[in-house]
Amino acid sequence: AQSVAQPEDQVNVAEGNPLTVKCTYSVSGNPYLFWYVQYPNRGLQFLLKYITGDNLVKGSYGFEAEFNKSQTSFHLKKPSALVSDSALYFCAVRALSGGSYIPTFGRGTSLIVHP
Amino acid sequence: DAGVIQSPRHEVTEMGQEVTLRCKPISGHNSLFWYRQTMMRGLELLIYFNNNVPIDDSGMPEDRFSAKMPNASFSTLKIQPSEPRDSAVYFCASSFFIPGLAGGGETQYFGPGTRLLVL
Repeated sequence: AQSVAQPEDQVNVAEGNPLTVKCTYSVSGNPYLFWYVQYPNRGLQFLLKYITGDNLVKGSYGFEAEFNKSQTSFHLKKPSALVSDSALYFCAVRALSGGSYIPTFGRGTSLIVHP
Repeated sequence: DAGVIQSPRHEVTEMGQEVTLRCKPISGHNSLFWYRQTMMRGLELLIYFNNNVPIDDSGMPEDRFSAKMPNASFSTLKIQPSEPRDSAVYFCASSFFIPGLAGGGETQYFGPGTRLLVL
């Protein structure tokens, strides 16, 4: 069975500093990897995804993520954090299993950016 | 496009009552997902439809839960009878799945959710 781990429940960073939100995954085939963001009382919004090709993926709002196959990781990064980046971030994976692509989400990491 | 539409946005009911949550996916999308979000269990996939056919319902908690997709523009998630432990935020998401063309790698678009409280 596929799984996603987000080892940190919360990440704290000062505004202007770089941020990293960690994600590791476990699948039996080639993964499709995603990051979504959730603001309070809202649904999840897509940030970026890795399908194939360049391991460094750039997404919305200046976020990027690097696919590392050997470490089975897909960490989310941003060079300079903004207070408005404070939200709940979810990593997700989909891989072919039993003939279908079932999405699996991590438990989420709360990012808090301090002024 | 209005995005994924869910109704009601909030529902308060008493234990034992039937609850029906509704979802209208984005026009043209052919995949629909129902999720449940709680503090304890995070975001769980309940059921996944493709072209109105249930593909995986292994996440449906028990027989009290049922989901239907009678056509491409409407889906319901029903809980009967409801219990306090069903209290959660329920999300619907849709996507456009193209088999063989990075199918599985498509972006999901989430609705605003239905916040359910069972007393």
